Amino acid sequence: KNEVEQSPQNLTAQEGEFITINCSYSVGISALHWLQQHPGGGIVSLFMLSSGKKKHGRLIATINIQEKHSSLHITASHPRDSAVYICAVDNTDKLIFGTGTRLQVFP
Amino acid sequence: DAGITQSPRHKVTETGTPVTLRCHQTENHRYMYWYRQDPGHGLRLIHYSYGVKDTDKGEVSDGYSVSRSKTEDFLLTLESATSSQTSVYFCAIRTSGGAYNEQFFGPGTRLTVL
Repeated sequence: KNEVEQSPQNLTAQEGEFITINCSYSVGISALHWLQQHPGGGIVSLFMLSSGKKKHGRLIATINIQEKHSSLHITASHPRDSAVYICAVDNTDKLIFGTGTRLQVFP
Repeated sequence: DAGITQSPRHKVTETGTPVTLRCHQTENHRYMYWYRQDPGHGLRLIHYSYGVKDTDKGEVSDGYSVSRSKTEDFLLTLESATSSQTSVYFCAIRTSGGAYNEQFFGPGTRLTVL
């Protein structure tokens, strides 16, 4: 079993829909990261969380430390949100990554 | 992008040849990482460094070596490339100090071993 599990693996949405991507982990962490990777592109950090909730524009990330679970929400999705979203947990100076969620948003 | 560059950005080589990938940073961060990214596996840590001449293995270190003789450069070497090492390689740095320890990634190197 992977230490970091993401769901779903693939997600298709119509423009304007509310998107939720989930991440569960089984190890102790100091922080959790959400990353974004566009096709053929580099990896960009969206959020780093150690508790509660963070919001940046249409993106919201939450974490529940007790349940070892985090969610990334995208409100009013847009085709430019199409990308792979990666959850990673910070474990003793190293990141452990989920396998990513591929999101496609159609107009 | 925290001033991270990788070279080369693309490389095609033949099985059995040595290959060296370079990661360069401009901000004197102590921690540097090499990852490989493969479909179905996500990002996996190859090696990392926590200072000049201080390195340690990650989960997929077999067939790879690293060196860090200067703070700004972290080299990844495939001594004798194999087709299983065809992948996209990302370098990353980690900021440190205070409550925030983010990782910033380089643009990646696409390596094909024929």
